Amino acid sequence: KAGVTQTPRYLIKTRGQQVTLSCSPISGHRSVSWYQQTPGQGLQFLFEYFSETQRNKGNFPGRFSGRQFSNSRSEMNVSTLELGDSALYLCASSPGTAQETQYFGPGTRLLVL
Amino acid sequence: SQQGEEDPQALSIQEGENATMNCSYKTSINNLQWYRQNSGRGLVHLILIRSNEREKHSGRLRVTLDTSKKSSSLLITASRAADTASYFCATPSGSRLTFGEGTQLTVNP
Repeated sequence: KAGVTQTPRYLIKTRGQQVTLSCSPISGHRSVSWYQQTPGQGLQFLFEYFSETQRNKGNFPGRFSGRQFSNSRSEMNVSTLELGDSALYLCASSPGTAQETQYFGPGTRLLVL
Repeated sequence: SQQGEEDPQALSIQEGENATMNCSYKTSINNLQWYRQNSGRGLVHLILIRSNEREKHSGRLRVTLDTSKKSSSLLITASRAADTASYFCATPSGSRLTFGEGTQLTVNP
């Protein structure tokens, strides 16, 4: 099976812009989670989608949003970018819940200037 | 905020030596997972140990879990330069994984 894919891999934006990141899970996986990784805060959970519904949300401002499509592909959007949003954004998929092993994509590295 | 703490934060050893990393967590868990991350890339799942298990092996990896102390350890035996990476423990809470701060392992050839 193909692994989790994320596009784009690298992105440079300026403050105030918005960005959309995409994640395609492993075929058959219905749960997609997003994480932000920064040197200062480590790996932080953003949100999780299961069957097109947001099932859990981390402690991030409303500028961070996401959605999941009927084919389980997911997108996350960050509006009004701030310098502190520079990070590696990781997507992970699993068959059902986070109690199971999660399979991570290579990540999208976002740099906000 | 991170649920767990890992120590050491950094570990440097020679090829062939064993590496031990420790993880502590705060809440009751169903299972605990270990992941590896090569520099700036995605995480790779290594091993999952359930709360009713005390020890689990996978190749050169050995994981222990002590739920009374809320701690786990990952042992990598006969380390190789290719084991150089960051290692994270993670605990599921609901539909999210909460990660420790990670241990940066450097294996010198």
